[in-house]
Amino acid sequence: GAGVSQSPRYKVTKRGQDVALRCDPISGHVSLYWYRQALGQGPEFLTYFNYEAQQDKSGLPNDRFSAERPEGSISTLTIQRTEQRDSAMYRCASSLPQGEQYFGPGTRLTVT
Amino acid sequence: GQQLNQSPQSMFIQEGEDVSMNCTSSSIFNTWLWYKQDPGEGPVLLIALYKAGELTSNGRLTAQFGITRKDSFLNISASIPSDVGIYFCAGQGYAGGTSYGKLTFGQGTILTVHP
Repeated sequence: GAGVSQSPRYKVTKRGQDVALRCDPISGHVSLYWYRQALGQGPEFLTYFNYEAQQDKSGLPNDRFSAERPEGSISTLTIQRTEQRDSAMYRCASSLPQGEQYFGPGTRLTVT
Repeated sequence: GQQLNQSPQSMFIQEGEDVSMNCTSSSIFNTWLWYKQDPGEGPVLLIALYKAGELTSNGRLTAQFGITRKDSFLNISASIPSDVGIYFCAGQGYAGGTSYGKLTFGQGTILTVHP
């Protein structure tokens, strides 16, 4: 079946612009997670949802970062006023309740 | 914040050799996981460990959940070229925290297998 999909796969943006990254979880998966992965590092937790409720946003670096999942399916991670330090691979994962997290291919964000 | 120390950072081995890598934490986790990441892909779960002292195998892979709940190791026996990749440990269900969903990852071990 279809896995977690993310779009766009690559995004290049200028400093100061807003970006929206999309995640489409595996059908039926109620939990959705966002991570950020710098080159040579493991994924770093940002936030996660059960259905449409944001359970934990402790990993969001600052208030320029926000995420939503209004209908409990697709999620959007938004970064406002992007900075060069925001450049990274942004990964989404989904799972059944307290189940194994399946990761998507990621969105490579480059801020110039 | 939470950090996992994973070692070694990289390994270069000959095909057929065994590999061992480990992960330690400053805090207790309720679950330990091991993932493999191939180039251009997201991490894929290899083994999950749910009880302190648990030893679990998945084919040529064996992992253990440390008794103190602060460490775990992964062994790969008789390595083959397709074992090449980055291996990550991750802790979940951090005792003292409230967020079950959050995974805390190690820095990764880059494995290279020479045929």
